[in-house]
Amino acid sequence: DAGVTQSPTHLIKTRGQQVTLRCSPKSGHDTVSWYQQALGQGPQFIFQYYEEEERQRGNFPDRFSGHQFPNYSSELNVNALLLGDSALYLCASSPTGRLAGGVWGLYEQYFGPGTRLTVT
Amino acid sequence: GIQVEQSPPDLILQEGANSTLRCNFSDSVNNLQWFHQNPWGQLINLFYIPSGTKQNGRLSATTVATERYSLLYISSSQTTDSGVYFCAVWVGGYQKVTFGTGTKLQVIP
Repeated sequence: DAGVTQSPTHLIKTRGQQVTLRCSPKSGHDTVSWYQQALGQGPQFIFQYYEEEERQRGNFPDRFSGHQFPNYSSELNVNALLLGDSALYLCASSPTGRLAGGVWGLYEQYFGPGTRLTVT
Repeated sequence: GIQVEQSPPDLILQEGANSTLRCNFSDSVNNLQWFHQNPWGQLINLFYIPSGTKQNGRLSATTVATERYSLLYISSSQTTDSGVYFCAVWVGGYQKVTFGTGTKLQVIP
């Protein structure tokens, strides 16, 4: 099992440009979540995809959008890049199921190595 | 949203020492994970522990969900334990995940 993979590893873009980051989940996992981690900070939740739909979104503007494909892989798109978008972008995959208490949700998350985006 | 505070924020240990890291959260959750982030940014799973106690080698964790905290114990610390430790919580269902503020650990020889 290859685990969660992300591409590219590093990326340098110019302010105003658009970028697409890619994530392949761990085998058997159906949910993908994306996070932004600025230097010295903890990861911040961007959004989460299940069954090709965005299920939950954090406090990020519409410039951040995503997609999930039938094979559960996912893309993160950022438009009109700002200097403040420079960060490590992390993808996590997890299986879903019925949790204690009967509610349907995520189990353990597994993270990819991240894509380091620099905006100049 | 849920607030997650970790303590201490920074910790320096001599190799071989033991330590306890704490994660407090402001509301009821039914999922919690501990991670170790290495210097290259990779988040490594330590424990998925919504409640109870788990052990894995020199590491163990306890979550008391009713009192809204979790503890990570590191025994006989090694230099390779250095890095940042995060807890992350989420409520059941498709809820956004909230990471804690992190504890930066440095183990010196």
